[in-house]
Amino acid sequence: AQSVTQLGSHVSVSEGALVLLRCNYSSSVPPYLFWYVQYPNQGLQLLLKYTTGATLVKGINGFEAEFKKSETSFHLTKPSAHMSDAAEYFCAVSDSSNYKLTFGKGTLLTVNP
Amino acid sequence: DAGVIQSPRHEVTEMGQEVTLRCKPISGHNSLFWYRQTMMRGLELLIYFNNNVPIDDSGMPEDRFSAKMPNASFSTLKIQPSEPRDSAVYFCASGRDSNPTDTQYFGPGTRLTVL
Repeated sequence: AQSVTQLGSHVSVSEGALVLLRCNYSSSVPPYLFWYVQYPNQGLQLLLKYTTGATLVKGINGFEAEFKKSETSFHLTKPSAHMSDAAEYFCAVSDSSNYKLTFGKGTLLTVNP
Repeated sequence: DAGVIQSPRHEVTEMGQEVTLRCKPISGHNSLFWYRQTMMRGLELLIYFNNNVPIDDSGMPEDRFSAKMPNASFSTLKIQPSEPRDSAVYFCASGRDSNPTDTQYFGPGTRLTVL
C-alpha cells in the first residue's frame, strides 16, 4: 500500500527566505509523485509532478522538487518565498499499478513580511 | 476553459435530510473523482468514474452515500440521510483519462455542514 508523510503540518518563513516542505513516500513499485497547492477556499492545483526521467522537476511559481529514491523523498523547495505563496501544500503518490492518488495530510505555509 | 464546476459552494442542512452535491467536469475529460476533505482524515478518495462508469467506490463510507454519472458532463454525490459527521468539504476532480500520471483538475469544493 502507498503512503505519504509530510513532516510539519505548519511551516512559517519570512518573505524572501528559502521554502522547504518535506515529503516522504512509501510505495512497493516505482512511484509517480505530485505536489498540489490549495489556496484558501479553492480546490487543489497541480504545482509539479515526477513520473520518469529527470529527478529534478520544475513547476509553476518558481517551485521545484527532487525525487530521491534512496531517501524515498520528494521535498518541495523555492529559493525565495513570496507573500502569495501562503497556502496549503499537499504531496501525493500514485504508481503504474494504481490510478489512485494517495495524499499526505498537508503542510500549511505562512509567509511573514 | 471553465474548469471543474461544483454546486452548491456551501450547504447547511439538518441531520436526516438528503443532500445532493453536483459536479460538471472539464469537457473532454474521461475520469472523474469525488474526494472528501476533513481536518482529521485529510483528503480521501470516495469514488472514481471512468467513461461514466464507476470503477472504484471502495472509499464510499457507508450506504448512505451514493454517486452517479449519467453522462460525461454531470455527476452527483448524494448523502441520505445526512449526519453531523458528514460535515466536510467535498471536491470533485476530473482528468483526461485513467493514466496514473495524469493531472487531476479540482473544482472549488462544496462545504457541507450538517447540524
